[in-house]
Amino acid sequence: GNSVTQMEGPVTLSEEAFLTINCTYTATGYPSLFWYVQYPGEGLQLLLKATKADDKGSNKGFEATYRKETTSFHLEKGSVQVSDSAVYFCAYTDSGGYQKVTFGTGTKLQVIP
Amino acid sequence: DGGITQSPKYLFRKEGQNVTLSCEQNLNHDAMYWYRQDPGQGLRLIYYSQIVNDFQKGDIAEGYSVSREKKESFPLTVTSAQKNPTAFYLCASSILAGGQETQYFGPGTRLLVL
Repeated sequence: GNSVTQMEGPVTLSEEAFLTINCTYTATGYPSLFWYVQYPGEGLQLLLKATKADDKGSNKGFEATYRKETTSFHLEKGSVQVSDSAVYFCAYTDSGGYQKVTFGTGTKLQVIP
Repeated sequence: DGGITQSPKYLFRKEGQNVTLSCEQNLNHDAMYWYRQDPGQGLRLIYYSQIVNDFQKGDIAEGYSVSREKKESFPLTVTSAQKNPTAFYLCASSILAGGQETQYFGPGTRLLVL
């Protein structure tokens, strides 16, 4: 069946380090891909998305490129801040109307000063 | 301000009691969803509704019920049949654009059992 696999956390980085959180998916067709961020005690916020192959989603310094050939949507940021500490969820939904969203299990990021 | 509101932020349930979690959106979204999140885990779909007066079970619907009488509202009732209700509950709504759906989330309600 369809699934999303994220790298396991927690990931601990020093401030200004480079961040990569891996995400791969298995799906048929042409899914849309998303990254959500969840700060402690809060709901999920949409961070970025991409709807077709080779699209790059970007927001707040974060980027992810939809790679259909490797079925990946890795999240990157060039220089993390303490305020980026949160849990990051990769997700996808199939195209063609309302479809169930499949979420990864989340990757906790801790950035230390 | 447009958005999704959930209330209350914290809710306490006694044994054998039904409790209802509120979810309201003023985004004019057609579809709404309820998820459950347990500590350190991902999201599991409880119920969803794509149109008023219609809803479908998700992956873990047992012990829960919903209604969708208005487009803006999708309340979730946690019944006494749900034996392990302690969790963080997230409501979402979604919009279709170009055939692609994007979900947006509310701030969540944390349910605790007394």
